[in-house]
Amino acid sequence: NAGVTQTPKFQVLKTGQSMTLQCAQDMNHEYMSWYRQDPGMGLRLIHYSVGAGITDQGEVPNGYNVSRSTTEDFPLRLLSAAPSQTSVYFCASSYSKRVFYEQYFGPGTRLTVT
Amino acid sequence: TQLLEQSPQFLSIQEGENLTVYCNSSSVFSSLQWYRQEPGEGPVLLVTVVTGGEVKKLKRLTFQFGDARKDSSLHITAAQPGDTGLYLCAGLVPGNMLTFGGGTRLMVKP
Repeated sequence: NAGVTQTPKFQVLKTGQSMTLQCAQDMNHEYMSWYRQDPGMGLRLIHYSVGAGITDQGEVPNGYNVSRSTTEDFPLRLLSAAPSQTSVYFCASSYSKRVFYEQYFGPGTRLTVT
Repeated sequence: TQLLEQSPQFLSIQEGENLTVYCNSSSVFSSLQWYRQEPGEGPVLLVTVVTGGEVKKLKRLTFQFGDARKDSSLHITAAQPGDTGLYLCAGLVPGNMLTFGGGTRLMVKP
């Protein structure tokens, strides 16, 4: 099992560019989510999904889109990058729709927007 | 203002010392989790506490959930350099989401 994988590991974008952060899991988990981590602020939930075809907004969804066409994949799209989106992004998955259960995190994508 | 406040934000101690970090809120949580994160990696779950007053032990780490389920603490006995990392608490909020505290960055010097 590879667990939760994220690509790319590092990315630099110019303001206004768009890109997709990839996330995949091979554990057949129902629940997947995207977080961003900024210094001193812990992790903040961007979007989450409780199963294929179902997504919902988290705490800080503005400027990001998600879709969940398969159980395995949960890509995060930045529509028009802004410097405020400079952050480390983590994807996580859990085998239950109840997030109470252990979340497995990917290694993160470090994004810089200039 | 974050729903979960962690203190201290930074802690630097010598190997062998004991320490306690805190996770406090004015809100009640149905469950609370503690994670440890090492540089360049994602957080890894250490423990989940669900009952007010619950105490869980994981080797030298002791976790306690407050009686009113608004706060939690993590106590490390005889800290080792391998305990170095960012400790995050997270609570379950309505809407099936986790909210995280800002974290305590621990450094244990040999």
